[in-house]
Amino acid sequence: TQLLEQSPQFLSIQEGENLTVYCNSSSVFSSLQWYRQEPGEGPVLLVTVVTGGEVKKLKRLTFQFGDARKDSSLHITAAQPGDTGLYLCAGGGYNQGGKLIFGQGTELSVKP
Amino acid sequence: GAGVSQSPSNKVTEKGKDVELRCDPISGHTALYWYRQSLGQGLEFLIYFQGNSAPDKSGLPSDRFSAERTGGSVSTLTIQRTQQEDSAVYLCASSLLSFSPGETQYFGPGTRLLVL
Repeated sequence: TQLLEQSPQFLSIQEGENLTVYCNSSSVFSSLQWYRQEPGEGPVLLVTVVTGGEVKKLKRLTFQFGDARKDSSLHITAAQPGDTGLYLCAGGGYNQGGKLIFGQGTELSVKP
Repeated sequence: GAGVSQSPSNKVTEKGKDVELRCDPISGHTALYWYRQSLGQGLEFLIYFQGNSAPDKSGLPSDRFSAERTGGSVSTLTIQRTQQEDSAVYLCASSLLSFSPGETQYFGPGTRLLVL
């Protein structure tokens, strides 16, 4: 069974703080995606990384794909209340038969 | 163009009843996925359709669950003899292709199922 372990599961911080969410697996993925989900809605794609060691930045969010393509991290700088939500990592590729394997999610709460 | 739509948005049913959940994918998307999400948790893969190929049913939790996709478009997930543990949000997603690294899945808003 292929698993993606996300940590931490819950994170409550003050506005302006930095945070990092981790996504780890023993499996190799062709791609790693990060989604954000707000209450009552489906997940929305934030970024896709496909190359080992790749770093992508989206405003205050920085995403990194591990060199071995087994792990990834999401770093948020100067978090804002609007960043509150459930963050999900998902790995996919040919080894996963076209499916995405999702982590358990990180519930982030940013207090003003 | 419209995104993925799902109906109903909420469904309350009694234990033992059958339910049908509907998904309308984005037009032209060949791949369609069903996931289940328990409160505040990640997504559990259920079933996946790709074009005219046989669906990947490897994630269906029991034979009470089934799904079909008619005409390569609309899909229906059916749960027979519902149990309380079936209560969850059922999410549908579609993508243009599959088996492509980094292919984006577009999700619907989900159907919230509560089995009393």
